Amino acid sequence: GAVVSQHPSRVICKSGTSVKIECRSLDFQATTMFWYRQFPKQSLMLMATSNEGSKATYEQGVEKDKFLINHASLTLSTLTVTSAHPEDSSFYICSAKGGPSGGLETQYFGPGTRLLVL
Amino acid sequence: GQNIDQPTEMTATEGAIVQINCTYQTSGFNGLFWYQQHAGEAPTFLSYNVLDGLEEKGRFSSFLSRSKGYSYLLLKELQMKDSASYLCAVTDSNYQLIWGAGTKLIIKP
Repeated sequence: GAVVSQHPSRVICKSGTSVKIECRSLDFQATTMFWYRQFPKQSLMLMATSNEGSKATYEQGVEKDKFLINHASLTLSTLTVTSAHPEDSSFYICSAKGGPSGGLETQYFGPGTRLLVL
Repeated sequence: GQNIDQPTEMTATEGAIVQINCTYQTSGFNGLFWYQQHAGEAPTFLSYNVLDGLEEKGRFSSFLSRSKGYSYLLLKELQMKDSASYLCAVTDSNYQLIWGAGTKLIIKP
């Protein structure tokens, strides 16, 4: 149980284009979903927290107009990187909370999306 | 401020036992998590402690002392595949998850 999928796993795009990343909880309803970014050899950095049907809460320093988050259902959240630039190249990881074990506060992570902007 | 401390890097030998410590100072406490993250991959959930004591799960055990703001992850019978970063994270009174920087564990044959 507690499987989270993420799609695509890897994407290469040109500078100025937009990229959408999907995060799905496959076998549980996620009360909350989170989006993280991780640069090589650095810690996870929380970008935003999203609850189904409401606006996402962004961490300080994260541009909400650049990183659009939509949480349309209890099993799906999307992150759109708009007008991507090379400095947006990173490993984007989603997580979902509300799975069956470890308490309702346990976050289960998707496999991540590696974004490369040329 | 909120702070979680864990060693940056540890080295251990295959077949041995290693203990990774984590100390925390947070505004409230609603649980402590350990995650494993292999290089280039997303974290995977290992354990959750909310009460004092030892939780054992196969070769991995996690201990919590709330009064001391202290936890450890114990890995027994180390295997080469255990080489990874181990992340300690604490949920505070607002149910925000505070992450440690992670401990990179290197296993040598």
